[in-house]
Amino acid sequence: DQQVKQNSPSLSVQEGRISILNCDYTNSMFDYFLWYKKYPAEGPTFLISISSIKDKNEDGRFTVFLNKSAKHLSLHIVPSQPGDSAVYFCAASGSNAGNMLTFGGGTRLMVKP
Amino acid sequence: EPEVTQTPSHQVTQMGQEVILRCVPISNHLYFYWYRQILGQKVEFLVSFYNNEISEKSEIFDDQFSVERPDGSNFTLKIRSTKLEDSAMYFCASREEYDSPLHFGNGTRLTVT
Repeated sequence: DQQVKQNSPSLSVQEGRISILNCDYTNSMFDYFLWYKKYPAEGPTFLISISSIKDKNEDGRFTVFLNKSAKHLSLHIVPSQPGDSAVYFCAASGSNAGNMLTFGGGTRLMVKP
Repeated sequence: EPEVTQTPSHQVTQMGQEVILRCVPISNHLYFYWYRQILGQKVEFLVSFYNNEISEKSEIFDDQFSVERPDGSNFTLKIRSTKLEDSAMYFCASREEYDSPLHFGNGTRLTVT
């Protein structure tokens, strides 16, 4: 099941620069998308979400962009900080946001001081 | 900030034994979920629970699995006869409303020997 894919298993960025994490999906019924951050030995922590009626949502240093025609979303972190180093998962759900989330495989972000 | 709490953090059991994983969702949340992550694989949906009944379940959630909300605070996942392939991190999650983000606990690492 590859309905949600994160093609980059890892990403390394210098502190202060922009981190861009990408996610692609195949299921056109998905209309609610989320990004989660996960540290070792902890559960996923919600970061930011976007519904399909928008193409951008911003919260502080985090911005999520949604390109519905390309079935692509991205998470931008500006400026990146060493504490942002974690695994980032994108997730999607169907026409009812209360439905189950389908997760991507995650991207490990390393922010170097 | 309120948290989803899970106990135990690590459970070791022998194949064929029953295990119960426990969760205390955030108190005003109405929707409850179990997800799991096998080492090196994606986070996978198991089951969702609302209004004292299962609202959705995945193919993974077969007859060996059951969930219960025995009182106003706990939400449990029972595996009747564990198999080696049940070894995984099991995450409990809850949400306040139908379209609000999921909040995850830190997980229980289940090791079946």
